[in-house]
Amino acid sequence: KNQVEQSPQSLIILEGKNCTLQCNYTVSPFSNLRWYKQDTGRGPVSLTIMTFSENTKSNGRYTATLDADTKQSSLHITASQLSDSASYICVVSKGNTGGFKTIFGAGTRLFVKA
Amino acid sequence: GAVVSQHPSRVICKSGTSVKIECRSLDFQATTMFWYRQFPKQSLMLMATSNEGSKATYEQGVEKDKFLINHASLTLSTLTVTSAHPEDSSFYICSARPGSRDTEAFFGQGTRLTVV
Repeated sequence: KNQVEQSPQSLIILEGKNCTLQCNYTVSPFSNLRWYKQDTGRGPVSLTIMTFSENTKSNGRYTATLDADTKQSSLHITASQLSDSASYICVVSKGNTGGFKTIFGAGTRLFVKA
Repeated sequence: GAVVSQHPSRVICKSGTSVKIECRSLDFQATTMFWYRQFPKQSLMLMATSNEGSKATYEQGVEKDKFLINHASLTLSTLTVTSAHPEDSSFYICSARPGSRDTEAFFGQGTRLTVV
């Protein structure tokens, strides 16, 4: 069954601290993996996108890693800010040139406190 | 990056009425648009996929006659919730994809629908 599981469900950290969010998937065939940030009451905004051959990708204080062998990805946030408080969603695309399907994780809700 | 505009951002309607939500790609042509529904503290659930000029493909369990989708142009798709009921209250989000391949899809801001 094609699944995307994220952990933890929620996380509380102090401003300035680092954190790492996890995403495990069982999607096949794998096309790409994306991390999105979704502020409350807003649409998701893309942070990173990685294909099979990419191991790491950074976007400012956000660094995503991908291990296609173990089917795991992580999103590391460095020096967290209050504005990082949001839901972070891992999305895996399944398919090939014959057609694609995106599978959403349930998200990790991050709370950054002063 | 590409911009997808969704309107309205919030709407309150009476039970039994219909409400239309618009999704526009402002700086690119969207061959494919997606409509999602999101309940509080849950992830996005795909409702339907619409391709310009053809009928939408609905996910299992989504009522076609209740959630009417029109994708008449490459920059506009609409979702009409017909005969709305309180249980239809939710956050509806669209996304648009520039090409037919698995390229990046860009999300709208979302529409908070409240049916009273």
